[in-house]
Amino acid sequence: AQSVSQHNHHVILSEAASLELGCNYSYGGTVNLFWYVQYPGQHLQLLLKYFSGDPLVKGIKGFEAEFIKSKFSFNLRKPSVQWSDTAEYFCAVCSTGFQKLVFGTGTRLLVSP
Amino acid sequence: NAGVTQTPKFRVLKTGQSMTLLCAQDMNHEYMYWYRQDPGMGLRLIHYSVGEGTTAKGEVPDGYNVSRLKKQNFLLGLESAAPSQTSVYFCASSTHPGGHSGNTIYFGEGSWLTVV
Repeated sequence: AQSVSQHNHHVILSEAASLELGCNYSYGGTVNLFWYVQYPGQHLQLLLKYFSGDPLVKGIKGFEAEFIKSKFSFNLRKPSVQWSDTAEYFCAVCSTGFQKLVFGTGTRLLVSP
Repeated sequence: NAGVTQTPKFRVLKTGQSMTLLCAQDMNHEYMYWYRQDPGMGLRLIHYSVGEGTTAKGEVPDGYNVSRLKKQNFLLGLESAAPSQTSVYFCASSTHPGGHSGNTIYFGEGSWLTVV
């Protein structure tokens, strides 16, 4: 069965600091990978997704993620965070052709001004 | 995200009561999902549907039933609510299966359910 691990449950950063959130998955086949963001009181929104090609994926709001197949990882990065990035971030994985996403437990990011 | 609408947004139930959450999407999506979100556990799939008239179990289906009588609606029912079902429920829809390269999943705004 697929599973997703997000090891950082809470992250606190100051504005302008760099961000990296870890995501590891367990599945031996071809996977599709996603990062979603949930701002306080709102629904989930897609930040970026990887299906194939360049393993460095750029998303909205300056976020990017790198797929490292050998490490089963898809870490999310942003060079300089803003207060408005305060939110919960979810990694999700789906094996190719599979019908549903499996989500990680989420990482709560707090950016202090 | 006006494409996926959930009702009600907030509800308090007594143990043993029943209720139905309604999810409606106006994007003609084939695939619809119900997730629950609990602190420290992320989103867990309850049930999903791959088209009108079909439903399937997800990770945590016990205590819930679903129906997809119309393509645009996906109903989640609690026949006898329990405190363990206190959660935030999210409906979602997509044009393709989760693993399809063209897929994007659209989420509703959530329904907060408290069972006392």
